[in-house]
Amino acid sequence: DIQMTQSPSSLSASVGDRVTITCRASQGISNYLAWFQQKPGKAPKSLIYAASSLQSGVPSKFSGSASGTDFTLTISSLQPEDFATYYCQQYNTYPRTFGQGTKLEIK
Amino acid sequence: EVQLLESGGGLVQPGGSLRLSCAASGFTFSSYVMSWVRQAPGEGLEWVSSITGGGGSTFYADSVKGRFTISRDNSRNTLYLQMNSLRDDDTAVYYCAKDLGLPGDYWGQGMLVTVSS
Repeated sequence: DIQMTQSPSSLSASVGDRVTITCRASQGISNYLAWFQQKPGKAPKSLIYAASSLQSGVPSKFSGSASGTDFTLTISSLQPEDFATYYCQQYNTYPRTFGQGTKLEIK
Repeated sequence: EVQLLESGGGLVQPGGSLRLSCAASGFTFSSYVMSWVRQAPGEGLEWVSSITGGGGSTFYADSVKGRFTISRDNSRNTLYLQMNSLRDDDTAVYYCAKDLGLPGDYWGQGMLVTVSS
């Protein structure tokens, strides 16, 4: 199975900051990587597919990139509504696997 | 508008069975891979199972293989998850999802399954 290692597990930041979350795959997954945002008590919301493509309606403050088996999610100019938990997920092979999540909190 | 409405959750004793349903609307149901993802209380997301559009191929996490069965009825636009031999660690919110991780993916609102005596 492909393991997805996400870091950091938690992150404190201020409104207006720019933050980066990293996800590393245990083996090659091409660019078959998605990022999700989840707020407490809500279903996850898809942000990015194919490592760097924004889902429809997602603001351009969210961006993704890939380098080999390392993937990053960058959020620029943090706003209060961006404080949530973020997950990566590979869809290169079954079983699908998620990272353990990164909780983004207000400093 | 895409809608996914889960039903069938609730409280069940260890060793018991439960069938979850996910009623879909707003898209051509038979054209899409559908999946179940769960989240134990206070924990992260865990992929459970997926089924191809025609139902010919199914995939399972090791943690549920042999106990859970995913199926779909394309005439009723409904996805199912039959859960047997339930264990305490199956307690979670279960989400159905369309095209997980792909362009236009969509999740249902989630449904709590509690396994407890």
